[in-house]
Amino acid sequence: GEQVEQRPPHLSVPEGDSAVIICTYTDSATAYFYWYKQEPGAGLQLLMSVFSNVDRKEEQGLTVLLNKKDKQLSLNLTAAHPGDSAVYFCAVTANSGTYQRFGTGTKLQVVP
Amino acid sequence: EAGVTQSPRYAVLQEGQAVSFWCDPISGHDTLYWYQQPRDQGPQLLVYFRDEAVIDNSQLPSDRFSAVRPKGTNSTLKIQSAKQGDTATYLCASSFARADTQYFGPGTRLLVL
Repeated sequence: GEQVEQRPPHLSVPEGDSAVIICTYTDSATAYFYWYKQEPGAGLQLLMSVFSNVDRKEEQGLTVLLNKKDKQLSLNLTAAHPGDSAVYFCAVTANSGTYQRFGTGTKLQVVP
Repeated sequence: EAGVTQSPRYAVLQEGQAVSFWCDPISGHDTLYWYQQPRDQGPQLLVYFRDEAVIDNSQLPSDRFSAVRPKGTNSTLKIQSAKQGDTATYLCASSFARADTQYFGPGTRLLVL
């Protein structure tokens, strides 16, 4: 079955710097890709979703890159601020309306 | 529009005790998911429903876990005899069948002593 790996598990960046999180997946049929943010004690907040026909998507200081050849998905937070400190998860699925497979998470700390 | 709601938010029990979690999805969403999220890990699917039908429960420990969605709206996840290894956050999510976006509830944090 699909395997999703995420790195790094922990990331600390100074305020204003960028932070990059990378996920790799194994199933070439994977078509939907997601990034979530989870703050302590809270559920998952969807940050961005992309379909497989998109290589790059930017929204509100976030950039998602999809490299289907290498089966790699990345999230870049430009100019990170302390409010971005949280755990970030990638998730993938082959079909809409089915469950998502999640990465192992990246704990991001943005240091003032 | 109200989001996905879950109750209780926290539960603490001794091994061997039973517990039930309740989820109210977004109105009109026909698909409902239960995920288990152990500490410092990503969510893992337990079971999901389309309307009242179970679509996939292959990851549900069937000897102790059960889940129902009798009217295709609210759902209950029950652990019959909890073990310490069940300590985790239980997340409920809902979506439209043909939509790719799942909406997550705040979760129920379970601690089994």
